[in-house]
Amino acid sequence: DIQMTQSPSSLSASVGDRVTITCRASQGIRNSLTWFQQRPGKAPTSLIFDASNLQSGVPSKFSGSGSGTDFTLTISSLQPEDSATYYCQQYNTYPYTFGQGTKLEIK
Amino acid sequence: EVQLVESGGGLVQPGGSLRLSCAASGFTFSDYYMDWVRQAPGKGLEWVGRIRTKANSYTTEYAASVKGRFTISRDDSKNSLYLQMNSLKTEDTAVYYCARGHWGFDYWGQGTLVTVSS
Repeated sequence: DIQMTQSPSSLSASVGDRVTITCRASQGIRNSLTWFQQRPGKAPTSLIFDASNLQSGVPSKFSGSGSGTDFTLTISSLQPEDSATYYCQQYNTYPYTFGQGTKLEIK
Repeated sequence: EVQLVESGGGLVQPGGSLRLSCAASGFTFSDYYMDWVRQAPGKGLEWVGRIRTKANSYTTEYAASVKGRFTISRDDSKNSLYLQMNSLKTEDTAVYYCARGHWGFDYWGQGTLVTVSS
């Protein structure tokens, strides 16, 4: 199975800041990577697909990049509602696998 | 508006069975691959499996942890997705989500909780 490793596991940032979350795959997955946001007690929502494409309706403050094994999610102009856990997931090879999540706290 | 609504969760004893359903609306259900994803309490997300479309012979894929115990099916005439879970174990306790398998997983349901306990 392809292992997906996110870093950091948690981070704290202030309103207006920009943060970057990293996701590394244990083997190449081309650009078959998606990012999700999950607020407490809610279902995940899709932010980015194919590593860098914004899902419909997602604000442009979210951006993704990368290909192969190394990927990033950047969130700019942080707001309190961005407080959530963020997951990456590869869909290049079965079984599909998720990163362990990055918990973002807004100070 | 795309909507996915899961149902069928509940409390079941180890070794028991349960069938989850996912009702889809707002899109042409038969055109899309569909997936199940689960999340154990306080844990991360785990992909359970996928079913393809009629054009792809309704073939399925499963995670190793559920293969041989869980079966995914669909009824395109009812816009519904199913997850038949047999030989349930305590480690199957989780919220189960259905998701549309497009551009990753572009839409998710709200989930249904399955608790496996004696």
